[in-house]
Amino acid sequence: AQTVTQSQPEMSVQEAETVTLSCTYDTSENNYYLFWYKQPPSRQMILVIRQEAYKQQNATENRFSVNFQKAAKSFSLKISDSQLGDTAMYFCAFMKGAGDYKLSFGAGTTVTVRA
Amino acid sequence: EPEVTQTPSHQVTQMGQEVILRCVPISNHLYFYWYRQILGQKVEFLVSFYNNEISEKSEIFDDQFSVERPDGSNFTLKIRSTKLEDSAMYFCASRDRHYEQYFGPGTRLTVT
Repeated sequence: AQTVTQSQPEMSVQEAETVTLSCTYDTSENNYYLFWYKQPPSRQMILVIRQEAYKQQNATENRFSVNFQKAAKSFSLKISDSQLGDTAMYFCAFMKGAGDYKLSFGAGTTVTVRA
Repeated sequence: EPEVTQTPSHQVTQMGQEVILRCVPISNHLYFYWYRQILGQKVEFLVSFYNNEISEKSEIFDDQFSVERPDGSNFTLKIRSTKLEDSAMYFCASRDRHYEQYFGPGTRLTVT
């Protein structure tokens, strides 16, 4: 079974600053996908960014970017120019690249953006 | 933009009662999932469904749980006899032939 570890329960960042969330995972698979989901107080799960393991280039979506280190099994999320609307719980998730494509989630990191 | 919908948004039920949580996946999606999130904890996989049958289920998904796609649009999760520990947020998700899953807004189930 795959395990996803998010070691930072809470992070706080000043508006307009940058924050980096860490995520490590354990797998013997070579083909897989990694995701970051955002869960605001409404509790809706919103996909922020995704990374295919076969791609060496780190994914970027506007102010969100990842640092994918396949050998280290690390997948961190950087939020640049933090905005108040970024305040949410962030979950890292792993998906095998074959079979059922179910998601395995980490425990989450609560990010608070201060005005 | 198409989206996954779930009803009800909040369900309160008494222990031992049956509940049915409903989901309408995105219309051209083929794969359907239920996840749950106990308050303050991580999101956990319950079950996946494809071609009108369960393709994988977790150890949480015991005989008290069942899923059904009764028509071409709805996808339901039934809990036969609810327990206090079933109180959680239940998320439905769907995907097409690609890997990206789209989540519904969730149903908050409270068992008293």
